[in-house]
Amino acid sequence: RKEVEQDPGPFNVPEGATVAFNCTYSNSASQSFFWYRQDCRKEPKLLMSVYSSGNEDGRFTAQLNRASQYISLLIRDSKLSDSATYLCVVIPMDSNYQLIWGAGTKLIIKP
Amino acid sequence: DGGITQSPKYLFRKEGQNVTLSCEQNLNHDAMYWYRQDPGQGLRLIYYSQIVNDFQKGDIAEGYSVSREKKESFPLTVTSAQKNPTAFYLCASSMGTGTLAYNEQFFGPGTRLTVL
Repeated sequence: RKEVEQDPGPFNVPEGATVAFNCTYSNSASQSFFWYRQDCRKEPKLLMSVYSSGNEDGRFTAQLNRASQYISLLIRDSKLSDSATYLCVVIPMDSNYQLIWGAGTKLIIKP
Repeated sequence: DGGITQSPKYLFRKEGQNVTLSCEQNLNHDAMYWYRQDPGQGLRLIYYSQIVNDFQKGDIAEGYSVSREKKESFPLTVTSAQKNPTAFYLCASSMGTGTLAYNEQFFGPGTRLTVL
């Protein structure tokens, strides 16, 4: 089982819709969680951190479920510019703070 | 503007040749990282350095070498021992390691290496 798993997609979603995807992690000692966004053939960029209490930034909401070992990303009122690959990142407590990356979920917003 | 630069953007290599990928940052970050990204896979850590003149192997260090002689620079050499070097190589830096506030990694634009 991979340490961090994501549905690769692609998720094809009409503009204005709400879309959500999850990321599961296997190490229960994981302590830090992030969502990064990666545009086609570009470098990843931090989208948001995921806190235990959840985190909201405009149209984006990230949540953590420690009991079930997954994090989620919800995008409301999706825009064409949201089309990208969303990478889940986990930092296990025993990993010397090295990031463990998911393979990403591809999102395509259609007009 | 502060940031991370990588060069070249595209690189073609013949089998059996060593190549060096450049990574420079002016963010005054202590930690630097090299990742490899293949289609359909997450980023895999090749090497990382938390401080000048020190570096550690990541998950897939075989066939690669690095140096950290200056805080700003962390070049990666892909040697002929790397059996499947064609990939997208990403360099990143962070303030350090150890706390949440230090963990955000900033990436360079990447180098696409193709072995002919």
